[in-house]
Amino acid sequence: EAGVAQSPRYKIIEKRQSVAFWCNPISGHATLYWYQQILGQGPKLLIQFQNNGVVDDSQLPKDRFSAERLKGVDSTLKIQPAKLEDSAVYLCASSLVVFFPDTQYFGPGTRLTVL
Amino acid sequence: EDKVVQSPLSLVVHEGDTVTLNCSYEVTNFRSLLWYKQEKKAPTFLFMLTSSGIEKKSGRLSSILDKKELFSILNITATQTGDSAVYLCAVGAAGNKLTFGGGTRVLVKP
Repeated sequence: EAGVAQSPRYKIIEKRQSVAFWCNPISGHATLYWYQQILGQGPKLLIQFQNNGVVDDSQLPKDRFSAERLKGVDSTLKIQPAKLEDSAVYLCASSLVVFFPDTQYFGPGTRLTVL
Repeated sequence: EDKVVQSPLSLVVHEGDTVTLNCSYEVTNFRSLLWYKQEKKAPTFLFMLTSSGIEKKSGRLSSILDKKELFSILNITATQTGDSAVYLCAVGAAGNKLTFGGGTRVLVKP
C-alpha cells in the first residue's frame, strides 16, 4: 500500500514570497490533515479535511495560509506572504475515518526555510 | 486548551538498557493516545491506546495507559542503536483531532 506522498521535499524562499505544498493521501482515506512542526517541537495541526470539507481550521493563520482539497483526494497548502517564523517542516497525514479513534499516517514532510 | 507534556526532554543510554518515556495529558473529550517514532521527518505509528485497550506490546516496545491519572508510559527494553529517535506522544479527541507533546529525544550509544 502506497503511503502519503508530499512534494516538494525541500523549499527555500525569501520572506514575503509565496509557496505551495502538495499532498496525496493514502488511497481511500477520507480524512486529511496538515501539520506544522517547528524545530524541537511536536507537530501542530493547521487544518483537517473530511473529504473536501473543512472539519477544523482553528489554528490556521488565515491571513497568510490557505488550503484546499477540491476533489476530496489530494490537497495543497499555500503560504502568502511567507514570514521568517514560517520556517518549519510541513507534514501531511491521512486517516480512514474521522468519527472514532483512527490512526493517522504521515508523509515525509516538506522542510521550508524562509530567509 | 488541550495539553500534552512529555518527559524527559532527552536521554542518552547504552545498548541493552531499558528506557521509560512519560506522557501526561489534559484533554477534553479524550478518545485515544498514540505513540509515534520520528527518525528524520515522517512520524511512524507505534501504538494506539483507547479505553478498550490500555496496554499494548510489540516486540521490545510496550505501552500502558492510565486514564484515571491521565498518563501513559512507553517502555523500550534491550535498546539498540536503531531505537535512536524522537518519540512523540499524541492524544486524540473528538473528531480524531490530535494534540502532540514536544517529544522525547532518545540516543542509544553502542
